Amino acid sequence: KAGVTQTPRYLIKTRGQQVTLSCSPISGHRSVSWYQQTPGQGLQFLFEYFSETQRNKGNFPGRFSGRQFSNSRSEMNVSTLELGDSALYLCASSFSPAGAGMSSYNEQFFGPGTRLTVL
Amino acid sequence: GQQLNQSPQSMFIQEGEDVSMNCTSSSIFNTWLWYKQDPGEGPVLLIALYKAGELTSNGRLTAQFGITRKDSFLNISASIPSDVGIYFCAGQRQGAQKLVFGQGTRLTINP
Repeated sequence: KAGVTQTPRYLIKTRGQQVTLSCSPISGHRSVSWYQQTPGQGLQFLFEYFSETQRNKGNFPGRFSGRQFSNSRSEMNVSTLELGDSALYLCASSFSPAGAGMSSYNEQFFGPGTRLTVL
Repeated sequence: GQQLNQSPQSMFIQEGEDVSMNCTSSSIFNTWLWYKQDPGEGPVLLIALYKAGELTSNGRLTAQFGITRKDSFLNISASIPSDVGIYFCAGQRQGAQKLVFGQGTRLTINP
């Protein structure tokens, strides 16, 4: 079974530009969550999508947005890039069936991340 | 943003030694997870804990979900070179996919 894939793996942008990152979840997984990892703030939750709907959202500005397609693939977009947006962006997929509660069905599997550098 | 309090931040040990790290929170979580992250990769799940008081092993790794649901520890016995990396604890609340992470423990092993 293929794991979570993220593209591109590395990206360099300049301030003010926008960027789109892509995540393909494990086959059969319907939930995709996005996290930002920086040395200063650690791993911070951005948002989660399930069945093409944003289900949870973290405390990030509106410049950070996402979407999910009918095949569960997800994209996140950052507009008007700032230097502080330089980070490793990770996505995680899980099966997340309704009413599963806390169980192995909700376990999240992470992709390798996209390293974004803003100059 | 909210983070769990994970300690120690770093550890330098000799190969073969046992390792212990822990995580505490001011609020309750329904699931505690432990991940390991190698350079250039995403975190990999090591152990998941679903019940307060639960003690779970995965090979040389043992983790426990605290009775108060506000803490967890991870032990690694007889460390080997491939244990090097950054270990993260994470908490998850009922009905939410969001994971709240600790700051990480960087493990370095001297051969």
